[in-house]
Amino acid sequence: DAKTTQPNSMESNEEEPVHLPCNHSTISGTDYIHWYRQLPSQGPEYVIHGLTSNVNNRMASLAIAEDRKSSTLILHRATLRDAAVYYCTPPNTGNQFYFGTGTSLTVIP
Amino acid sequence: NAGVMQNPRHLVRRRGQEARLRCSPMKGHSHVYWYRQLPEEGLKFMVYLQKENIIDESGMPKERFSAEFPKEGPSILRIQQVVRGDSAAYFCASSRTGTPNQPQHFGDGTRLSIL
Repeated sequence: DAKTTQPNSMESNEEEPVHLPCNHSTISGTDYIHWYRQLPSQGPEYVIHGLTSNVNNRMASLAIAEDRKSSTLILHRATLRDAAVYYCTPPNTGNQFYFGTGTSLTVIP
Repeated sequence: NAGVMQNPRHLVRRRGQEARLRCSPMKGHSHVYWYRQLPEEGLKFMVYLQKENIIDESGMPKERFSAEFPKEGPSILRIQQVVRGDSAAYFCASSRTGTPNQPQHFGDGTRLSIL
């Protein structure tokens, strides 16, 4: 099963861009890279997912390395509401997602 | 357009009692997943169900835990004879199809406390 490596924590100033990295060197060739975030006392919230090309949606952008061994979630302008734990997770067999400890993002006003 | 609904949000049980956690998937979703999150840890997969079928229960403890997703009604995660170590947040997710690359949509969880 694919596993991931993320920094434990990161800080950003409000209204500045944030780049959250993730290594997933064992990902298989057909697995999408998914990103979720979890606010305190809430369930994980889907953010974005992609396969090979960079992806954009209203929440964030996802930059995927050419060799697919790493990816970066980009929040273009961090707000206080973006403070959360961010997980990158390729799906394992059986449709389950592997959630490690993620990156705890602190946004400084 | 309701999301994944879980109830109750908080559940307190004494050791030895039974706990029943309910999950109603998003409209149009027929695939349900249960995860458990211990304090200060990430979510751990427990079981994946489709209507009336258990597809993957590789993350379920072998004893005391069971799950179902009947043709009508919510999915139920049942824990018999609860112990202190069962205290955790239990999250349910749903997806429209069962392909591995479908995003899963999560409820806000049931926080189970065992006295």
